[in-house]
Amino acid sequence: GQNIDQPTEMTATEGAIVQINCTYQTSGFNGLFWYQQHAGEAPTFLSYNVLDGLEEKGRFSSFLSRSKGYSYLLLKELQMKDSASYLCAVRDSNYQLIWGAGTKLIIKP
Amino acid sequence: GAVVSQHPSWVICKSGTSVKIECRSLDFQATTMFWYRQFPKQSLMLMATSNEGSKATYEQGVEKDKFLINHASLTLSTLTVTSAHPEDSSFYICSARGPPNEKLFFGSGTQLSVL
Repeated sequence: GQNIDQPTEMTATEGAIVQINCTYQTSGFNGLFWYQQHAGEAPTFLSYNVLDGLEEKGRFSSFLSRSKGYSYLLLKELQMKDSASYLCAVRDSNYQLIWGAGTKLIIKP
Repeated sequence: GAVVSQHPSWVICKSGTSVKIECRSLDFQATTMFWYRQFPKQSLMLMATSNEGSKATYEQGVEKDKFLINHASLTLSTLTVTSAHPEDSSFYICSARGPPNEKLFFGSGTQLSVL
């Protein structure tokens, strides 16, 4: 079956760096997405990786290794507003989105 | 864990026809479901919030007569794209609040292509 794994919850300190991992097993691969979701709001697109390597976008970076079925989202200079759930999703060969359960990130002062 | 099933996965239709997309919570009851549209830049746009037994709440700019939402039971919400046009071609995703702690679970999406 298809599966996406990411930690349920992580805690980090304001100003620090945190890495949220995502491993996947899917029927084919057509890209991996990271979304940020604040409670009660729609998910906000953060990044899209389809080739191996690191994509940097401001304080957020996303890494992909297709051979390992692995991605991570790196958040630098954490701010209190970064407290949210982070969702990893993979598009499979049928163009379907397979979603992880999300990682709740708690930022402490 | 909680599962949300969405179908069809793909649908191709002629301009002017109507298309129905179903979203089911398979192992939990969902009083609230959400419908999104994913644009080419991969952003998700919330279209509407579907509440069981009552009218859906549409986001600003979404035509309620164009995108009909019915949430007739605690496990099923449907989105009907009426009189579809090529500009309605998009990827539609549903989600539902489920256990534990009312987390949001997503369907796998429906790719709609209007010819």
